Amino acid sequence: DAGVTQSPTHLIKTRGQQVTLRCSPKSGHDTVSWYQQALGQGPQFIFQYYEEEERQRGNFPDRFSGHQFPNYSSELNVNALLLGDSALYLCASSLVSPGAQYFGPGTRLTVL
Amino acid sequence: GQQLNQSPQSMFIQEGEDVSMNCTSSSIFNTWLWYKQDPGEGPVLLIALYKAGELTSNGRLTAQFGITRKDSFLNISASIPSDVGIYFCAGQLPGTYKYIFGTGTRLKVLA
Repeated sequence: DAGVTQSPTHLIKTRGQQVTLRCSPKSGHDTVSWYQQALGQGPQFIFQYYEEEERQRGNFPDRFSGHQFPNYSSELNVNALLLGDSALYLCASSLVSPGAQYFGPGTRLTVL
Repeated sequence: GQQLNQSPQSMFIQEGEDVSMNCTSSSIFNTWLWYKQDPGEGPVLLIALYKAGELTSNGRLTAQFGITRKDSFLNISASIPSDVGIYFCAGQLPGTYKYIFGTGTRLKVLA
């Protein structure tokens, strides 16, 4: 049973650039949530996708956008990168809401 | 960003000891999840709780959904070195799909 996978593992960008992160949910799951985790803190909710629509959004600017595909996989896009966007970006999948969320290994983004 | 209060922040314990940690909030939650995270990796789900008062075990781990719905507790019995890591609670606010995470409890086990 494949768990949540994310790519790439690490990424280095410069300020002002754009980045796309990818996530494949756990087998059988249809809902994907994205979180940002700064060093030493708990994950912060960015948004959740269900049926290819953004169902809920956290307190993140419009520079953060996403997409969900018909196969339930998802992308997180961040435009006009700032130094403060450096963090571990986590994808979590679930089947129903409320329901247990399972996390992927994360993508470590460094903005220089 | 919004975070739940977890205590203790960190703890050193001897191998074989029992561990208790909790998560509190001024808001009520519909669901509580407990995770363990190792450095540089994603959180791993330990226990999920869906009803006030619910007590659930997973091996040496036991967690409870507080009766007021504003808190949750995690106990680890007979700790072993591989229990080292950061433990996070997460609560789902009623009427929303988002989980709010705690500030984390860093556990260190002395062999």
